[in-house]
Amino acid sequence: AQSVAQPEDQVNVAEGNPLTVKCTYSVSGNPYLFWYVQYPNRGLQFLLKYITGDNLVKGSYGFEAEFNKSQTSFHLKKPSALVSDSALYFCAVRDKLGDDKIIFGKGTRLHILP
Amino acid sequence: KAGVTQTPRYLIKTRGQQVTLSCSPISGHRSVSWYQQTPGQGLQFLFEYFSETQRNKGNFPGRFSGRQFSNSRSEMNVSTLELGDSALYLCASSLDAGLVRYGYTFGSGTRLTVV
Repeated sequence: AQSVAQPEDQVNVAEGNPLTVKCTYSVSGNPYLFWYVQYPNRGLQFLLKYITGDNLVKGSYGFEAEFNKSQTSFHLKKPSALVSDSALYFCAVRDKLGDDKIIFGKGTRLHILP
Repeated sequence: KAGVTQTPRYLIKTRGQQVTLSCSPISGHRSVSWYQQTPGQGLQFLFEYFSETQRNKGNFPGRFSGRQFSNSRSEMNVSTLELGDSALYLCASSLDAGLVRYGYTFGSGTRLTVV
């Protein structure tokens, strides 16, 4: 069965600094990988996805993520953080050979300090 | 176009009661999935429906059930409510099943409080 781990419950970054939110996964086959963001009292919003192809994926709001097959990671990055990036971030995985369930990590709360 | 609509937004129920939550997907979307979000557990998968058929089910007790109608609208039902069922219930729709090509679009959720 597939699984996804977000090892940090919270990440604090100063505004203007680069940010990284970590995600590792476990699947039996090749993965589909996703990042979503949740603002207070809102549903999740899609940021980006990796299906196949280029390992560096660019998404919404200046975010990008790098698929690393050998490390089974899909870390979310942004070169320069904004206070408005403060939110809850979820990584998700689907195993292409699996049962089609989309499994989400427990989320990482990102605090951007002004 | 309209997004994913979940009703009601907030709900307070008493232990032992049952509750029905509704989700209207984006027009044209045939896949609807349900998730339970709690602070300690994050998002946990409940079930996925595609063209009125349940494609997948998570590890929840039988008190949790769902269905999808011919217009793709979906409902989930929780019977014999327990305090631990208090959570934000999120519905997500997609054009395809299993996100082969397209991602989810989430609704804003229904906040269920069991007292």
